Amino acid sequence: EVQLVESGGGLVQPGRSLRLSCAASGFNFDDYAMHWVRQAPGKGLEWVSSINWDSGSLDYADSVKGRFTISRDNAKNSLYLQMNSLRPEDTALYYCIKDSYWAFQYWGQGTLVTVSS
Amino acid sequence: QSALTQPASVSGSPGQSITISCTGTSSDVGGYNYVSWYQQHPGKAPKLMIYEVSNRPSGVSNRFSGSKSGNTASLTISGLQAEDEADYYCNSYASTNTRVFGGGTKLTVL
Repeated sequence: EVQLVESGGGLVQPGRSLRLSCAASGFNFDDYAMHWVRQAPGKGLEWVSSINWDSGSLDYADSVKGRFTISRDNAKNSLYLQMNSLRPEDTALYYCIKDSYWAFQYWGQGTLVTVSS
Repeated sequence: QSALTQPASVSGSPGQSITISCTGTSSDVGGYNYVSWYQQHPGKAPKLMIYEVSNRPSGVSNRFSGSKSGNTASLTISGLQAEDEADYYCNSYASTNTRVFGGGTKLTVL
């Protein structure tokens, strides 16, 4: 069974940093691209970032480019999102997702990030 | 990276069919067959319902189907059931290796 468990969310002040983690199990982690998608409270889904299987391709939404960095450790079956210079508009539930067939196949339950002073 | 356009809401009675549209551009929906659809119930994580325009993952009811014409993709739900009431989102691969979501559609089963 595929499991994706996010952690690292919390309350942070504007301008500060936070690092999200995602522990993956139940599949060959290093065979798949992975993604982060977020959802602000009461709002729709927003794609944040993607990484291919060997970290050779990293992609970001314009809204986070230059502030967020996606990475993975295939030896640890883990995905990360380093978030710097956080803004109130980054407040959202952040989902870790396994890719398949260019779609977001499996979703974690999300970790909540709240940016507020 | 402009969001794809979906109707804010649709509704239908049990047993009926409904269709949700998702309009983009030639740089996303029209340019690639990488359109997917997601169902989200309140308080739950989204669930993949359709990938690559019209393919259903294992376990998804065949009442759900997808199609595409030009820059517009569509999700059709036939034989509407109460449990289908949820928010639905489309997503497309876009040029420059990005992904873009629609704004979401709230489906109400009357």
